[in-house]
Amino acid sequence: DAGVIQSPRHEVTEMGQEVTLRCKPISGHDYLFWYRQTMMRGLELLIYFNNNVPIDDSGMPEDRFSAKMPNASFSTLKIQPSEPRDSAVYFCASSLVGRPLGNTIYFGEGSWLTVV
Amino acid sequence: EDQVTQSPEALRLQEGESSSLNCSYTVSGLRGLFWYRQDPGKGPEFLFTLYSAGEEKEKERLKATLTKKESFLHITAPKPEDSATYLCAVQAGSGNTPLVFGKGTRLSVIA
Repeated sequence: DAGVIQSPRHEVTEMGQEVTLRCKPISGHDYLFWYRQTMMRGLELLIYFNNNVPIDDSGMPEDRFSAKMPNASFSTLKIQPSEPRDSAVYFCASSLVGRPLGNTIYFGEGSWLTVV
Repeated sequence: EDQVTQSPEALRLQEGESSSLNCSYTVSGLRGLFWYRQDPGKGPEFLFTLYSAGEEKEKERLKATLTKKESFLHITAPKPEDSATYLCAVQAGSGNTPLVFGKGTRLSVIA
C-alpha cells in the first residue's frame, strides 16, 4: 500500500529560481497538509486542504509561497522566487476524517530544499 | 495560541538506562495528544494518541502518559534502535484541525 509520495526528495537551487514541490496523498484521504521543518522552528504548518479546497493558509510565510490541489491525488507547493532562508525540509501529509484522528495522519519522506 | 514545549532538547542514554521525555502543552479544548517518532531523513511516524488525563498507552519499550498539562514518554531499558527524534503534537478545537508540534527530543542510545 503506497504511502504519501513526495518529489523531488532533494533539490538544490539558486536564489531567485522557482521551486515546485509535489505530493501525491494516500488514495481516499480527504485532508492534505504541507509542513515545513527546520532546526530552529521545528515542524510548522504552512497550509492544509480538505476535499481539494484550501482551508487555512495562514502559515504560508509570504506571497512567494503558493499551494494548489487541482485534484484529490495531487498537490504542489511553489516558491517563487526562492531565497536562502527557504532552505528546509518540506513535508506533505494526508489524513482521513474519522475517529481516532491523529493516527490516520501519514507523512511523506519529505523534500529537502537547499537554496544557495 | 496553542503551544507545545518538549524537554530535554537532546538526551543521551546508555543501553538499558530508562528515562522519560516531557511534553508540556497549552491548548484550548484538547482533542488529542500525539507522539511521533522521526528517524533521520524520514517523515514522522505515528506512535500513540492520548485523549484524556490519566490515559496510558504502551508499545514495546515505550509508554506514554497524559495529565491535564503534560505528557511523558517513558522509555524502559532502551536499545540503540530506539535512537530517533520523538515529536509531541496536540490537536485542539473541532473538526480535523491540524496538529501543532513541539520541536522534539533527540534521543541517542549508546551500546
